[in-house]
Amino acid sequence: NAGVTQTPKFQVLKTGQSMTLQCAQDMNHEYMSWYRQDPGMGLRLIHYSVGAGITDQGEVPNGYNVSRSTTEDFPLRLLSAAPSQTSVYFCASSYSRTLGRRGQETQYFGPGTRLLVL
Amino acid sequence: EDQVTQSPEALRLQEGESSSLNCSYTVSGLRGLFWYRQDPGKGPEFLFTLYSAGEEKEKERLKATLTKKESFLHITAPKPEDSATYLCAVQGGSNDYKLSFGAGTTVTVRA
Repeated sequence: NAGVTQTPKFQVLKTGQSMTLQCAQDMNHEYMSWYRQDPGMGLRLIHYSVGAGITDQGEVPNGYNVSRSTTEDFPLRLLSAAPSQTSVYFCASSYSRTLGRRGQETQYFGPGTRLLVL
Repeated sequence: EDQVTQSPEALRLQEGESSSLNCSYTVSGLRGLFWYRQDPGKGPEFLFTLYSAGEEKEKERLKATLTKKESFLHITAPKPEDSATYLCAVQGGSNDYKLSFGAGTTVTVRA
């Protein structure tokens, strides 16, 4: 199993450009999510999905769109990049839609995408 | 709103010098407290989940404990390979899907 994969590893954008961050998992996990990580702050949830065709907003959704057409893929779209979106983005997945359910809570993270918006 | 505070921000240890990391939390109905390890340039790696006060879990030189207000990650006789950032997160009863993360403690172990 490749686990959770993310592409690209690093991207530089100009303000106003759009792009899609790719995320895929091969573990048949129901739950997938996107986080951003900024210096001095904890990981913050952007969007999440509990299954194909179902998505919802997290803590910091503005400026981002998601869709989930298959179980495996969960792309994150930046509509019009802004310098405030400079960050490291992590995709994660887990078997259970209820993370607190014992034995099914392990959340696997991808290696991250480093995004710089100029 | 769930909140997680980790201390200290950074910890420098000599090899073999045991120490503890703190994770203080406020949450409405704790469903789980999670510890992750993150190496530079990589994604977080799951370590432990704790569900109720008094629970303890161990993995090699790491031991996590939980009270009603905080969790500790004890590192016993650390080695240089234990150098990493350790993240704490909680899941509250009000939301099935959201983890609230602390900012992390960066541990550096010198040989």
